[in-house]
Amino acid sequence: AQSVSQHNHHVILSEAASLELGCNYSYGGTVNLFWYVQYPGQHLQLLLKYFSGDPLVKGIKGFEAEFIKSKFSFNLRKPSVQWSDTAEYFCAVNMDSNYQLIWGAGTKLIIKP
Amino acid sequence: KAGVTQTPRYLIKTRGQQVTLSCSPISGHRSVSWYQQTPGQGLQFLFEYFSETQRNKGNFPGRFSGRQFSNSRSEMNVSTLELGDSALYLCASSLATSTDTQYFGPGTRLTVL
Repeated sequence: AQSVSQHNHHVILSEAASLELGCNYSYGGTVNLFWYVQYPGQHLQLLLKYFSGDPLVKGIKGFEAEFIKSKFSFNLRKPSVQWSDTAEYFCAVNMDSNYQLIWGAGTKLIIKP
Repeated sequence: KAGVTQTPRYLIKTRGQQVTLSCSPISGHRSVSWYQQTPGQGLQFLFEYFSETQRNKGNFPGRFSGRQFSNSRSEMNVSTLELGDSALYLCASSLATSTDTQYFGPGTRLTVL
């Protein structure tokens, strides 16, 4: 079955540390890839997305992600995290443009001030 | 522009009852997706509607159904409630295509006793 895996369920970092959150999917066809974030007390919102072109995409708040097709991965990165990045991060994949998003289980990120 | 609204925000029902949840999308958005979010399963896709037509459906039993009206507002219905249906039900709207950003509402918290 098609699935999306996020390797870390909880990540704790200090401010200014670098961040990389893993996301892998199991599907060999065309994919559209998304990272969403949910800040405490807020709705889910889009961080960034990829559907074609440059595999390195930049999103809001200094986040970026790289699509590596050969590894079925779409990892999220940020060079220097801030306390305000404390949130839950979700990777989601749409496969063959079928109007269905399949979600990873989420990663809870805590940034220590 | 007003965001996605969901009503009611909280519901408590007993096993065997049925429930109807409502979602009003962002003005101009014609696609509405529904998700079930639970701590153990993350976000699970229920169904997606566009112009009053269901374009895709997730792996949920027939007790879960939905519809969309001509003004793009959507409802989902769960009949014969079970304890396991307790969850946060999220609605998301987007313009039309599978690459469009989904904008999420606050969710309806359903508790089944």
